[in-house]
Amino acid sequence: AQSVTQLGSHVSVSEGALVLLRCNYSSSVPPYLFWYVQYPNQGLQLLLKYTTGATLVKGINGFEAEFKKSETSFHLTKPSAHMSDAAEYFCAVSEGSGNTGKLIFGQGTTLQVKP
Amino acid sequence: DTEVTQTPKHLVMGMTNKKSLKCEQHMGHRAMYWYKQKAKKPPELMFVYSYEKLSINESVPSRFSPECPNSSLLNLHLHALQPEDSALYLCASSPTHRQGGKDGYTFGSGTRLTVV
Repeated sequence: AQSVTQLGSHVSVSEGALVLLRCNYSSSVPPYLFWYVQYPNQGLQLLLKYTTGATLVKGINGFEAEFKKSETSFHLTKPSAHMSDAAEYFCAVSEGSGNTGKLIFGQGTTLQVKP
Repeated sequence: DTEVTQTPKHLVMGMTNKKSLKCEQHMGHRAMYWYKQKAKKPPELMFVYSYEKLSINESVPSRFSPECPNSSLLNLHLHALQPEDSALYLCASSPTHRQGGKDGYTFGSGTRLTVV
């Protein structure tokens, strides 16, 4: 069965600093992986996804993530944090490599951006 | 139209009340979902509708009753809720359930429910 672990429930960075949010997955089959962002009192918005092909995936708002099979990781990065990036971030894996349609979410990481 | 619209945005209800949450999408998606989300927690899947038929019920108490009247509309009927049911209720959709697992879901902004 697939699972997702997000390391660090809270990450704080200064404006302009590198953002790194960590996600490790467990899957016996090639995974489909996602990052979602949730702003206060909003729904989830898809930032980016990895299915197959290029392991470096670019998403919206300047975020990107790299799929590393050897490390079972899918960490989210952004070179320079903006105040508007402050939000909750969820990593998710698709159950059964996408065959069941069910998404399994990590516990989430709160990103704080300090001026 | 690439949105999932949920109404109302906020709802306060008593434990003896009956209320409904509404979700609408016009993207032609044939899979729709209800999620419950408590503060600082990930969303928890409640129900999945596929082609207007209930395909997954994650052992949700019967005080929550979903309904899918047509391919664009999803309702969640609430009755005799408890204070611990207070949460953000999110609706989502995808072209099909299987496609959702490959491409992800489109989420609405949610209904903030408070049970008093």
